[in-house]
Amino acid sequence: AQSVTQLGSHVSVSEGALVLLRCNYSSSVPPYLFWYVQYPNQGLQLLLKYTTGATLVKGINGFEAEFKKSETSFHLTKPSAHMSDAAEYFCAVRNNNNDMRFGAGTRLTVKP
Amino acid sequence: DVKVTQSSRYLVKRTGEKVFLECVQDMDHENMFWYRQDPGLGLRLIYFSYDVKMKEKGDIPEGYSVSREKKERFSLILESASTNQTSMYLCASSQGQGIAEAFFGQGTRLTVV
Repeated sequence: AQSVTQLGSHVSVSEGALVLLRCNYSSSVPPYLFWYVQYPNQGLQLLLKYTTGATLVKGINGFEAEFKKSETSFHLTKPSAHMSDAAEYFCAVRNNNNDMRFGAGTRLTVKP
Repeated sequence: DVKVTQSSRYLVKRTGEKVFLECVQDMDHENMFWYRQDPGLGLRLIYFSYDVKMKEKGDIPEGYSVSREKKERFSLILESASTNQTSMYLCASSQGQGIAEAFFGQGTRLTVV
């Protein structure tokens, strides 16, 4: 099964700074990729998903992700961090048999 | 809106007990999933089901079984609970076709003492 690897279990940025959360996938063919967010004591909600044809994917709350086949990456970015972005972020891949595998997660801290 | 409902938010069980975690979805989704979430390990797939009575093992099926007798309901069973099964358990569902995302329940925090 395809898998994803998230680089960095913790990322800390200042409010207003760029957010960059890294995700690499294992497949040699473009997979179905997703980013989810989990706020404290809440369930997971979808931020964005990759659909073939568009390398830059826009999501909710100002987040976007760029699919780079040459680097097998799907990194999540936001130009300017807000305190409310503090959460845990998960990258996920959907396999051809319809299961979904998640990365280990990256906890984002936003400093005032 | 899609709703995935897990029967309990918190559970405390004793070692050796048989434990049932229930999950119901209301959007006629073909796929249903059970994950456990542990700090630093992310979400690990225990089992998933792509149709009624059909199941596939995920990455960590040992000590667990599942049941899907109706399309909307997917149960996770801990045959004999152990302390290392203390965790947060998340249920999810998704459509069978297309680039369909998974929708999650609120989770069940299980403590085995």
